[in-house]
Amino acid sequence: DQQVKQNSPSLSVQEGRISILNCDYTNSMFDYFLWYKKYPAEGPTFLISISSIKDKNEDGRFTVFLNKSAKHLSLHIVPSQPGDSAVYFCAAFDGGATNKLIFGTGTLLAVQP
Amino acid sequence: NAGVTQTPKFRILKIGQSMTLQCAQDMNHNYMYWYRQDPGMGLKLIYYSVGAGITDKGEVPNGYNVSRSTTEDFPLRLELAAPSQTSVYFCASRLGGLAGWSYNEQFFGPGTRLTVL
Repeated sequence: DQQVKQNSPSLSVQEGRISILNCDYTNSMFDYFLWYKKYPAEGPTFLISISSIKDKNEDGRFTVFLNKSAKHLSLHIVPSQPGDSAVYFCAAFDGGATNKLIFGTGTLLAVQP
Repeated sequence: NAGVTQTPKFRILKIGQSMTLQCAQDMNHNYMYWYRQDPGMGLKLIYYSVGAGITDKGEVPNGYNVSRSTTEDFPLRLELAAPSQTSVYFCASRLGGLAGWSYNEQFFGPGTRLTVL
């Protein structure tokens, strides 16, 4: 049972436009959410996070929105740049006994020049 | 500060062979993790450790073993390689702790690409 879902395997956006990556989760006990970015042949790197007590967190061109009632979060990249082309993983933190991140399947973002 | 390092970068194994994937971190992190990533799939947790001498199974532990004799090292052992273990393996570490959201970031190594033929 996939607890964290990224339903769009890929997304193509023009340079300068907004990229919106979506993520849904099923477990209301998740209390922290993270986005990781992964380039080919490299390990994932942390991008941005949000606590369940907030509904928005911004870091430069990246903003994450959290809608707890819908169990949905999204990552907005504005403006998109070719260097943003990568796989983006959504992850939820189970801060209870497991102390583990649960990852989605990823979305491949292609930013076209 | 090298972060999380993994060796080897690539390996081809024959069915039934054994090998150990090495992982080390120099950040004095308590938590360490092993994931595998199959094409088109997310990261699946194989094993994790919350400190030296303590390990536990993740979602997909079958066919693997781990040990954690020191804080720095967390090797992953494949005893009888099978084609289903062809994947990219990532090691990660996290400081952990009882409070503070800043503790939640996991740092990943560059990965080991394993092919079993």
